[in-house]
Amino acid sequence: GAVVSQHPSWVICKSGTSVKIECRSLDFQATTMFWYRQFPKQSLMLMATSNEGSKATYEQGVEKDKFLINHASLTLSTLTVTSAHPEDSSFYICSAKQTGSNSPLHFGNGTRLTVT
Amino acid sequence: AQSVTQLGSHVSVSEGALVLLRCNYSSSVPPYLFWYVQYPNQGLQLLLKYTSAATLVKGINGFEAEFKKSETSFHLTKPSAHMSDAAEYFCAVSDRNNFNKFYFGSGTKLNVKP
Repeated sequence: GAVVSQHPSWVICKSGTSVKIECRSLDFQATTMFWYRQFPKQSLMLMATSNEGSKATYEQGVEKDKFLINHASLTLSTLTVTSAHPEDSSFYICSAKQTGSNSPLHFGNGTRLTVT
Repeated sequence: AQSVTQLGSHVSVSEGALVLLRCNYSSSVPPYLFWYVQYPNQGLQLLLKYTSAATLVKGINGFEAEFKKSETSFHLTKPSAHMSDAAEYFCAVSDRNNFNKFYFGSGTKLNVKP
């Protein structure tokens, strides 16, 4: 149980275009989802917390107009990288949490974004 | 805010040897504690979690971790390493006062030598 599906697993796009990444909880409802960015050989950097039906909470230094997050249902959150630049190239990972104070995070398999 | 320290960014063991990956947290109130494993180009997979039941927690793939409040530690061990254990391991904590806030260690890359 507790499977999180993330698509696409990799994407290449040109500078100036937008890319949407989907994160779905397949067998549980996730009122809260999280988006992380991981640079090579580094730990995860939390970008934002996505709450179903409300605006996402962005971490300091993350541009909310550049990284648009939508959490329209209890099983789906999307991250759209708008007007992508080469420096946005990275590994993006979503995670979802079941209800319950001691529930762990369940992660998607990540999306490798390359902006050319 | 919490902090999580993983001593040793790289650990190398021989196949069949004991694996010990270290994790220390900063909170005076024991948080919820987790260990995750990440294989190349993949997301993180939960190995085990501590949520205030038994202090010795058994996880998947033969891993276990022991919560030691006096040492504010949650070290991950496996008696006998397999080649397939080579991966990056992350310790994470969530605050009991804000359980949606997770803090990750910097990760330890485990290399297993034949």
